[in-house]
Amino acid sequence: SAVISQKPSRDICQRGTSLTIQCQVDSQVTMMFWYRQQPGQSLTLIATANQGSEATYESGFVIDKFPISRPNLTFSTLTVSNMSPEDSSIYLCSVERQTKEYFGPGTRLTVT
Amino acid sequence: GQQVMQIPQYQHVQEGEDFTTYCNSSTTLSNIQWYKQRPGGHPVFLIQLVKSGEVKKQKRLTFQFGEAKKNSSLHITATQTTDVGTYFCAGPRGFGNEKLTFGTGTRLTIIP
Repeated sequence: SAVISQKPSRDICQRGTSLTIQCQVDSQVTMMFWYRQQPGQSLTLIATANQGSEATYESGFVIDKFPISRPNLTFSTLTVSNMSPEDSSIYLCSVERQTKEYFGPGTRLTVT
Repeated sequence: GQQVMQIPQYQHVQEGEDFTTYCNSSTTLSNIQWYKQRPGGHPVFLIQLVKSGEVKKQKRLTFQFGEAKKNSSLHITATQTTDVGTYFCAGPRGFGNEKLTFGTGTRLTIIP
């Protein structure tokens, strides 16, 4: 299994500001994933964070809006930049281990 | 691109009744995974099915993978209040691809 922590657990932010979300895993992993889950919806993959290389973004998500860092094999950050109310969502990080995916507890973001 | 749909979107059942959610992929899957997300929680891995026609049971939960490996079902017998949550199926983007496409989800509520 994998134990994953995220910080902050929730935040309320003003439009136009940025928020950085941290994700920490209890052991080394090659890939970390960042998802967005809008209220009552399914999970949408934002990007894959690879250690030592640029993150890989999914269609509809760009680096300028969601910059990602991956400084080592147990840690990653996702920044939500220049926020608008449409960015209000739950942001989840996850890791894959033995073909199973393990999720962090999520960050609930509200943009006013 | 790959689409994974689930029906129904919502299901309300009396405690003790059975529940089934169906998952359909637009592409053939190498495996299908099921996750449960409790209200306010994060998705938690339940099971993975790999073989065509495979059936697996976990206590009151029965999971099935279709013969064509494009559909799956989750059946809960005699639901309990602890079964409340949203059930997601998920399949890999392609063979050997670690990224998952999550289904649209089925939200189960139990009437005591």
